[in-house]
Amino acid sequence: SAVISQKPSRDICQRGTSLTIQCQVDSQVTMMFWYRQQPGQSLTLIATANQGSEATYESGFVIDKFPISRPNLTFSTLTVSNMSPEDSSIYLCSALGQDHSGANVLTFGAGSRLTVL
Amino acid sequence: AQKITQTQPGMFVQEKEAVTLDCTYDTSDPSYGLFWYKQPSSGEMIFLIYQGSYDQQNATEGRYSLNFQKARKSANLVISASQLGDSAMYFCAMRETVNDYKLSFGAGTTVTVRA
Repeated sequence: SAVISQKPSRDICQRGTSLTIQCQVDSQVTMMFWYRQQPGQSLTLIATANQGSEATYESGFVIDKFPISRPNLTFSTLTVSNMSPEDSSIYLCSALGQDHSGANVLTFGAGSRLTVL
Repeated sequence: AQKITQTQPGMFVQEKEAVTLDCTYDTSDPSYGLFWYKQPSSGEMIFLIYQGSYDQQNATEGRYSLNFQKARKSANLVISASQLGDSAMYFCAMRETVNDYKLSFGAGTTVTVRA
């Protein structure tokens, strides 16, 4: 399965600023997703990152707040804009690959832990 | 409506014992997949095991096995011979074909292995 590198791994940000998280996959993948995990909570899908076109956002998430780029089949970025303390979360990049049995499996990056002061 | 339900917020297990983590799901899609992920305190999500809705046999991966009861819509994870390194949060997730490979996650279960 694909190996995913995310950076930054963690950051402390000031209210009102924006931060861009980068996600690099070691092989070409058709589908990439961005998830958010608020403190003590489960994972919530933010959007599907589409190569060469605008991302597809889930209910409750908008492009102005979470702009996403995917210029090619191995790279994507998520920007958290105009941050507030409520945006303090782990942001996880994921990519669709296959496990040893051929099943389609989502592999995740190590996550980017953001704290907004 | 909740698609994935994990009713156990936290569990303790003695080292070398087995532990079962409950997961029930809700879908009308005949074709779906069920997954378990492990999240240690470091935050990464580690894929453990997968069960397809049409698979005839329960999935196994080393010390992990999935007790799939389709009629009851349950997909419990069994960890055998627990190790201290198994202490983590465990998430059950489902992918429905109609949802284009997106995963819905349960609330998670925290497992603490005691020496």
